[in-house]
Amino acid sequence: DGGITQSPKYLFRKEGQNVTLSCEQNLNHDAMYWYRQDPGQGLRLIYYSQIVNDFQKGDIAEGYSVSREKKESFPLTVTSAQKNPTAFYLCASSAAGGDYEQYFGPGTRLTVT
Amino acid sequence: GENVEQHPSTLSVQEGDSAVIKCTYSDSASNYFPWYKQELGKRPQLIIDIRSNVGEKKDQRIAVTLNKTAKHFSLHITETQPEDSAVYFCAAGYSGGGADGLTFGKGTHLIIQP
Repeated sequence: DGGITQSPKYLFRKEGQNVTLSCEQNLNHDAMYWYRQDPGQGLRLIYYSQIVNDFQKGDIAEGYSVSREKKESFPLTVTSAQKNPTAFYLCASSAAGGDYEQYFGPGTRLTVT
Repeated sequence: GENVEQHPSTLSVQEGDSAVIKCTYSDSASNYFPWYKQELGKRPQLIIDIRSNVGEKKDQRIAVTLNKTAKHFSLHITETQPEDSAVYFCAAGYSGGGADGLTFGKGTHLIIQP
């Protein structure tokens, strides 16, 4: 289970507040990803990064922002512009390219009221 | 881009019976097909994967088959046990150009009935 961590495990916020979810990996992976998981929706890609200081929007990037200043870290900010932020958020990392296993973090469950 | 369809969304089988989950993909360039298992409240974890240069791969009670011509692949679990109850995701990816990594199916909730 080691190698990629997310914190906190549970997060509660009031509507209108921005919140940042942490993701750290010590696997020396170049690529990192953020997914959102809702019941029955599978894994939906929010943002991904193949290299430091570069990242790309995924399928549902609106209302989210990321940074990749260090290889090990890929924090996700859920902004007040995200209309339905309550969800389970998963971070993953892999060697660069689309044909490598993705290793997932334990996830952060965000509840916004 | 790639599109992965997964069926069924829910599968209930008797303990000891076999379970089969099927996925189709759209991009003929895809050459890597992993399967992930996610238990309730936990992270997805890789259980088996297959690359396009082989048609079948087995690991104890789990096997995956790939039909490149038809663009579909399947997960087979034999002699199912209660601990097999989970959500299973298939995915597709390809080397060299897969900047956004894997494309996942929507998942299958496998229920093992005692």
